[in-house]
Amino acid sequence: KAGVTQTPRYLIKTRGQQVTLSCSPISGHRSVSWYQQTPGQGLQFLFEYFSETQRNKGNFPGRFSGRQFSNSRSEMNVSTLELGDSALYLCASSFSRTSGDTDTQYFGPGTRLTVL
Amino acid sequence: GESVGLHLPTLSVQEGDNSIINCAYSNSASDYFIWYKQESGKGPQFIIDIRSNMDKRQGQRVTVLLNKTVKHLSLQIAATQPGDSAVYFCAENGRYTGGGADGLTFGKGTHLIIQP
Repeated sequence: KAGVTQTPRYLIKTRGQQVTLSCSPISGHRSVSWYQQTPGQGLQFLFEYFSETQRNKGNFPGRFSGRQFSNSRSEMNVSTLELGDSALYLCASSFSRTSGDTDTQYFGPGTRLTVL
Repeated sequence: GESVGLHLPTLSVQEGDNSIINCAYSNSASDYFIWYKQESGKGPQFIIDIRSNMDKRQGQRVTVLLNKTVKHLSLQIAATQPGDSAVYFCAENGRYTGGGADGLTFGKGTHLIIQP
């Protein structure tokens, strides 16, 4: 089975621009979560999508948004980029068979975003 | 506040020795814990998980121990190999509601260095 894939792998943007990152989950997985990883803050949860609906959300500003498509693929968008948004953005997928039962999350390689 | 933390930022061991990486958590509501390994330039790789109704779980060369009384989690790696060099993260769920793949809360990570 192919793992979680993320595109692009690297991205350079300037302040004020917006960016869209893409994630394809493991086949059969219905839940996609996004995380931001920085040296200072570590790995932080952004949001989780299941059946095209945002089910959980972390403590990030509204500039960070996402969506999920009917094939479970997901995108996240960051608008009005700031220097502090430079980070590795990780996507993780899980099967998520029922609510209340946590399934293992498998991570993709990440997208390295640099904001200049 | 709620957090998942690791006791040591760096752990250096001799090849062939056993390694123990520790983690403290504070969220009593957490019922699922995971250890991930992250190599440079890659996303976190699932190693082993444990649910709160267990005290110990073994995998291939790895063992996770959970002590709910003192809210402590540890990862034991037997007969460490050069390929074990990486940053190891513990993670917990329980912070968010909504069921399914709740957002994981990660510790800061321990860098495991294998000396030849």
